[in-house]
Amino acid sequence: DQQVKQNSPSLSVQEGRISILNCDYTNSMFDYFLWYKKYPAEGPTFLISISSIKDKNEDGRFTVFLNKSAKHLSLHIVPSQPGDSAVYFCAAGRPGNNNDMRFGAGTRLTVKP
Amino acid sequence: EAQVTQNPRYLITVTGKKLTVTCSQNMNHEYMSWYRQDPGLGLRQIYYSMNVEVTDKGDVPEGYKVSRKEKRNFPLILESPSPNQTSLYFCASSQDTRLAKNIQYFGAGTRLSVL
Repeated sequence: DQQVKQNSPSLSVQEGRISILNCDYTNSMFDYFLWYKKYPAEGPTFLISISSIKDKNEDGRFTVFLNKSAKHLSLHIVPSQPGDSAVYFCAAGRPGNNNDMRFGAGTRLTVKP
Repeated sequence: EAQVTQNPRYLITVTGKKLTVTCSQNMNHEYMSWYRQDPGLGLRQIYYSMNVEVTDKGDVPEGYKVSRKEKRNFPLILESPSPNQTSLYFCASSQDTRLAKNIQYFGAGTRLSVL
């Protein structure tokens, strides 16, 4: 049972445009959400997070939006750069409990120059 | 440099031949875990460890063993590998999980093929 779903396996955008990566979750107990970025031959690295008490968190070009009623979060990258080309994993869990962390299958983002 | 180191990075083996994938972190993290990544399934937790000598099963522990004799090391052991354990494996570590931010630091991965 996949509790965290990233329904788009891949996304291609033009440099300078906005990239929007989506993530849906089913477990209403999740209240902390993270995005990780993974380059080929490397491990995932933390990108940005959001707790359920917020609906938006921004860090430079990256913004995560959370819609709790829809159990949906999205990652916006503006403007997109070729160096952003990577696989992005959405993760959901509860603070203080890594054991319940669930990851989505990932979305491969390609930013074309 | 803060890092999680896994070895080997690539491994091809045959069914039934015991193997160990090592994992070491230099950040003095209490929490360590192992994941496997398979197409369309994301990262699934195999085992985790809250501290030295404390380990527990994750979502997909069958066919794996771990040990945590020292804080920095968390090896993954496949006593009798089978082809369905062909996968990409990641070791991860994080600070005290009672803290609000559960940011995990991942190793570069070990690609295992069991023939």
